[in-house]
Amino acid sequence: EVQLVESGGGLVQPGRSMKLSCAASGFTFSSFAMAWVRQAPTKGLEWVASISYDGGNTYYRDSVKGRFTISRDNAKSSLYLQMDSLRSEDTSTYYCAMGWFDYWGQGVMVTVSS
Amino acid sequence: DIVMTQGALPNPVPSGESASITCRSSKSLVYKDGKTYLNWFLQRPGQSPQLLTYWTSTRASGVSERFSGSGSGTYFTLKISRVRAEDAGVYYCQQVREYPFTFGSGTKLEIK
Repeated sequence: EVQLVESGGGLVQPGRSMKLSCAASGFTFSSFAMAWVRQAPTKGLEWVASISYDGGNTYYRDSVKGRFTISRDNAKSSLYLQMDSLRSEDTSTYYCAMGWFDYWGQGVMVTVSS
Repeated sequence: DIVMTQGALPNPVPSGESASITCRSSKSLVYKDGKTYLNWFLQRPGQSPQLLTYWTSTRASGVSERFSGSGSGTYFTLKISRVRAEDAGVYYCQQVREYPFTFGSGTKLEIK
């Protein structure tokens, strides 16, 4: 059974940093691209970033480019999202997703507020 | 960026009836491999999104045959046959033809 478990969220002040993690199990992690998708309170889904199966290629939405970094550790079956220079508009539930969004984690809430 | 525009439903939909959700893209979602990269998701209240169909019409593993995707180019439809209470939630279309991947704004389905 595929499982994706996010962690690392919480309350953070504007301008500060936070790192999210996603622990994967139930599939061959190193064979699949992975992604982060976010959802602001009461809003729709918004793709944030993707990474290829080997970490060699990364893609970001414009609003996070230069501030967020997606990475992975295939030996640990883990996906990460380093978020720097956080803004209030980054407040969302962040989901990690496997492959072409076949499976999603339960999400982790990130609140950016002073 | 490719803009995804979803239609609304005449809520609430009576249980047992059919419901169709439309989705338009601002650019063709056909890739050079001939596949059309359009996904549909259902997000039930308080839950994570669930993939329903990919490549426009291929059902994801474990998804009921009551869900059927169709369309081509820039116009797509998700049909839900014999709707049940468990189908309630927000449906999203998503293009994965090119980065940045983009979602529609969502279509809410309420069951009567």
